[in-house]
Amino acid sequence: GQNIDQPTEMTATEGAIVQINCTYQTSGFNGLFWYQQHAGEAPTFLSYNVLDGLEEKGRFSSFLSRSKGYSYLLLKELQMKDSASYLCAVLDSNYQLIWGAGTKLIIKP
Amino acid sequence: IAGITQAPTSQILAAGRRMTLRCTQDMRHNAMYWYRQDLGLGLRLIHYSNTAGTTGKGEVPDGYSVSRANTDDFPLTLASAVPSQTSVYFCASSPLAGDSRDTQYFGPGTRLTVL
Repeated sequence: GQNIDQPTEMTATEGAIVQINCTYQTSGFNGLFWYQQHAGEAPTFLSYNVLDGLEEKGRFSSFLSRSKGYSYLLLKELQMKDSASYLCAVLDSNYQLIWGAGTKLIIKP
Repeated sequence: IAGITQAPTSQILAAGRRMTLRCTQDMRHNAMYWYRQDLGLGLRLIHYSNTAGTTGKGEVPDGYSVSRANTDDFPLTLASAVPSQTSVYFCASSPLAGDSRDTQYFGPGTRLTVL
């Protein structure tokens, strides 16, 4: 079966750095996406990786290792507005997105 | 309209009733999707459409039907609602189905409660 694993919840301090991990086992791989979802709102696109390595976009970076079936999202200089759920999703061989359950990130002052 | 809209925002429905959730996008995207999101579970695909006139089944299609008569609209119908269909429903669209860089954009969601 297809499976994506993320921690259920993480807590971090304002101004700090946090890394959210995602491991996956899917039928084929055509890319990995990270989305942000604030409570009661729709998911919004953060990043996309298809090749191994690090993609940096401002305070957010995403890393992919295809051989290990592993990705992480790195958030720097955390702000209170970063409190949200972070969803990892893999595009499988049928070009359908398989979603993890999401990691709820709590930022404390 | 800017982006993707859904209606209603929320609905309480008696079991056995028929309900249609509406979704409209103005981005001229080819592909559209319906997901449900339940606490502790990832987004699960109900139905999708890669282009107007075609539809396909996702991971959890039972009890739901869709149609895609034109590019902009993608309604989801529950023929006879059951309590297990209580969920938050998200409609999404993307420009290019079948492309590895295809990014999905989501509507604001419909919160449905079936009693």
